[in-house]
Amino acid sequence: QSVLTQPPSASGTPGQRVTVSCSGSSSNIGSNTVDWYQHFPGTAPELLIYTNNQRPSGVPDRFSGSKSGTSASLAINGLQSEDEADYYCAAWDDSLNGYVFGTGTKVTVL
Amino acid sequence: QVRLVQSGAEVKKPGSSVKVSCKTSGGTLPYSVNWVRQAPGQGLEWMGRIVPMLRITDYAQKFLGRVTITADKSTGTAYMDLDSLRSDDTAVYYCARASLGATQLDSWGQGTLVTVSS
Repeated sequence: QSVLTQPPSASGTPGQRVTVSCSGSSSNIGSNTVDWYQHFPGTAPELLIYTNNQRPSGVPDRFSGSKSGTSASLAINGLQSEDEADYYCAAWDDSLNGYVFGTGTKVTVL
Repeated sequence: QVRLVQSGAEVKKPGSSVKVSCKTSGGTLPYSVNWVRQAPGQGLEWMGRIVPMLRITDYAQKFLGRVTITADKSTGTAYMDLDSLRSDDTAVYYCARASLGATQLDSWGQGTLVTVSS
């Protein structure tokens, strides 16, 4: 049972903006930074956003992250067919003394 | 260029143990090696980490007492030992690297499928 809650699915047509929420608590998102990962089935996950809103080199700028209080959000602007994947938020949890992942959101491009 | 290469797939009996290796290369900064698994149809689950330079480990509470993470600094290889295997330990196990002091996992191994079946 993950301590970070995400919607199971999200969808949009090409070019649309899609957002994925991540809800936590004071011991994780409320007191630590949030990371986001993109995962295509059968491959290793990849870091998409780190420290709430930073993009690693090579990640398109249509991906953005934000955090407010105990929640975080991933936005995909100008959705593309190759963005169809699973997305996970993650943060360190001070109470659990561990890194926790969200429940994951499958993004579908209609 | 940081690279993590894991050992191959394993098939194990319930009650036995498995040891997965992760050889890291490239990069110069101190780092931690983390282990993450994904069971079929399930999400990502962090199991624990080691800072090879300091031999410090952290484990997820769920796996305390059942998982041991070690590292051989001389070869740049980290290991994840999981004991008392059950069928629900069937999963793809990934190693992933984070810079020391950071939590984000910025480089990942290719994954190792561990199947637990009688």
